[in-house]
Amino acid sequence: GENVEQHPSTLSVQEGDSAVIKCTYSDSASNYFPWYKQELGKRPQLIIDIRSNVGEKKDQRIAVTLNKTAKHFSLHITETQPEDSAVYFCAAIKDTGRRALTFGSGTRLQVQP
Amino acid sequence: GAVVSQHPSRVICKSGTSVKIECRSLDFQATTMFWYRQFPKKSLMLMATSNEGSKATYEQGVEKDKFLINHASLTLSTLTVTSAHPEDSSFYICSASGSVAPTNYGYTFGSGTRLTVV
Repeated sequence: GENVEQHPSTLSVQEGDSAVIKCTYSDSASNYFPWYKQELGKRPQLIIDIRSNVGEKKDQRIAVTLNKTAKHFSLHITETQPEDSAVYFCAAIKDTGRRALTFGSGTRLQVQP
Repeated sequence: GAVVSQHPSRVICKSGTSVKIECRSLDFQATTMFWYRQFPKKSLMLMATSNEGSKATYEQGVEKDKFLINHASLTLSTLTVTSAHPEDSSFYICSASGSVAPTNYGYTFGSGTRLTVV
């Protein structure tokens, strides 16, 4: 099955700096890669996703890049704000719908004001 | 957008009792429901996958007789923790996938249930 590794486990940045979180996956057939933000005691919220036919996707301050050859994808947050502080999870899946997402171990991002 | 309602949000129960957690898809048909367990500061661990009208498929190490999953309709799935013990205390969260996918491919999460067994 799929295995997703995520780094770093914790990340502390100053407000306004950029943050990068990286994930690698094992199954070359995986074709959908979402990123979730989870605040304490809350549900994971999808913040951005990318499909395998695209190398990069951007939504305002958030971007995701995918390298299929190396089987890794990254989340980039620019101009970080204190409200970006949360735990971020990457995930990977092949053929969405009836299969469960395989999640990374999570990255706790702390944005210092 | 797609909404999954999960109840209760918090529950405290005594050891040996059973607790039922419900997840309802409010505006789409959830053909598949995924149940996760999350320990503090850890990732989401898949417990089981259930398709409407079929028996759930449990992940290795998850006791099917302890964690009963019912997915009798396209809008409701339940997880019952039977004979709960303190080690079952955790955050349980469901995720629904529907045949009419919302924009995020149909992985819509419930709000989670914090179970504390005393």
